Amino acid sequence: SQTIHQWPATLVQPVGSPLSLECTVEGTSNPNLYWYRQAAGRGLQLLFYSVGIGQISSEVPQNLSASRPQDRQFILSSKKLLLSDSGFYLCACQRAAYGYTFGSGTRLTVV
Amino acid sequence: SQQGEEDPQALSIQEGENATMNCSYKTSINNLQWYRQNSGRGLVHLILIRSNEREKHSGRLRVTLDTSKKSSSLLITASRAADTASYFCATGSNSGYSTLTFGKGTMLLVSP
Repeated sequence: SQTIHQWPATLVQPVGSPLSLECTVEGTSNPNLYWYRQAAGRGLQLLFYSVGIGQISSEVPQNLSASRPQDRQFILSSKKLLLSDSGFYLCACQRAAYGYTFGSGTRLTVV
Repeated sequence: SQQGEEDPQALSIQEGENATMNCSYKTSINNLQWYRQNSGRGLVHLILIRSNEREKHSGRLRVTLDTSKKSSSLLITASRAADTASYFCATGSNSGYSTLTFGKGTMLLVSP
């Protein structure tokens, strides 16, 4: 079965600082990978998805970027954080016909 | 944009009662999925129902899908305090790549 490792669990960063969140997947190869953001009391907003190494699709233009340097590694980055970047960031992996497996998430607070 | 919309936004019941949550969506789908999220945690996949299916069961969960009404329901029977969580529906589109669009969720509170 697939396992997603996501870190850190919580992060407090000042406005204007850079960001790097990492997600790694075990138990599968060539997965579809996704970054979602969840604002407080809201649903999930798809930010980026990737179907392979170096292949990134952006759903929402914003202050963030994503990269996939290895088959089972997905990184979310920002050069300069904004207050509006605060939220709960979730990495997910598609499990073929069985839905997504999610990581445990990173709670980002920009201060 | 949000595709699925859950109803109600919040639901409070006693242990042993059944909980029903509904989901409506707007465009054609390939499948519909339900997820559970405990506070501050990632989402856990519960069940997937395909567009050509009308009903599916998994343990105490029962999901129905009515594509003519573009709606789905999740029934949790004999609820337990451990079922307290937020429940999200997510729709998979018919487009070439697979992404899920999530609703805002129903917050379920099951009291002992």
